[in-house]
Amino acid sequence: DGGITQSPKYLFRKEGQNVTLSCEQNLNHDAMYWYRQDPGQGLRLIYYSQIVNDFQKGDIAEGYSVSREKKESFPLTVTSAQKNPTAFYLCASSISSTGELFFGEGSRLTVL
Amino acid sequence: AQSVAQPEDQVNVAEGNPLTVKCTYSVSGNPYLFWYVQYPNRGLQFLLKYITGDNLVKGSYGFEAEFNKSQTSFHLKKPSALVSDSALYFCAVRDGTGANNLFFGTGTRLTVIP
Repeated sequence: DGGITQSPKYLFRKEGQNVTLSCEQNLNHDAMYWYRQDPGQGLRLIYYSQIVNDFQKGDIAEGYSVSREKKESFPLTVTSAQKNPTAFYLCASSISSTGELFFGEGSRLTVL
Repeated sequence: AQSVAQPEDQVNVAEGNPLTVKCTYSVSGNPYLFWYVQYPNRGLQFLLKYITGDNLVKGSYGFEAEFNKSQTSFHLKKPSALVSDSALYFCAVRDGTGANNLFFGTGTRLTVIP
C-alpha cells in the first residue's frame, strides 16, 4: 500500500540531545513537508522540500534541520537549540504545489 | 499574508442532526481550500478541496463544503451527523500563486452526542 511512514511513533529524550524523526513515502511525490502541532495552535510549517537536494524554511525552522537526499525520505532533526521541542510532529507529501497533502501518523516527542 | 480562522473551538451536535463547522480565510488571489479530519494521536486525513468550479464540493464520509467568495468562507457541512464523526477538524488554505505552504486554522473539535 502506498503511504507515508513516520517513526518512531513515540520518543522520549533528555534536554540537550538531538533527535531525528524519520519520514518515508512511497507515493512518488516530489514535495514533502514537516509540521509541528501544539494544542490550540493548529499546524505550523517547519520545513518543506519541493525536490531532491533542495528544501526551504517554513514559519518555525529555528532549532530544526532537514535533509532530502532521496525522493522518498525527508528526515527531521530536532536540535538542542530548539527551546520547546515537546510536540506532535507530522510529515506530509503532495504530488504538486496545488494538491492536497497526505499525512503520516505522526511522531510524539517528549523532552524530559 | 494568508490566514485561516475557525471561530469555534468546539461544536456539539446531536446524532442525526445536521452539522456545520465554520471556516473563513484571507489570501491574495484565488484560494485553494481544504478540509482535514484528525482522530486522537493520528495524522490528518483529507476530506475535500476546492480549487475551482462548482461552489459546492462533496468529499469523503458524506461531508460537503460550500465556497462563498463574497464572504470568504468555506464551511464544512454534513446533513446527518454520526457519533463516529466526533474528531478534530482543520480548514486549510493555499494562495493561488501555487506557494507551497498550506496554512492551517487552529482546529474545531466536533462532538456528536448520541
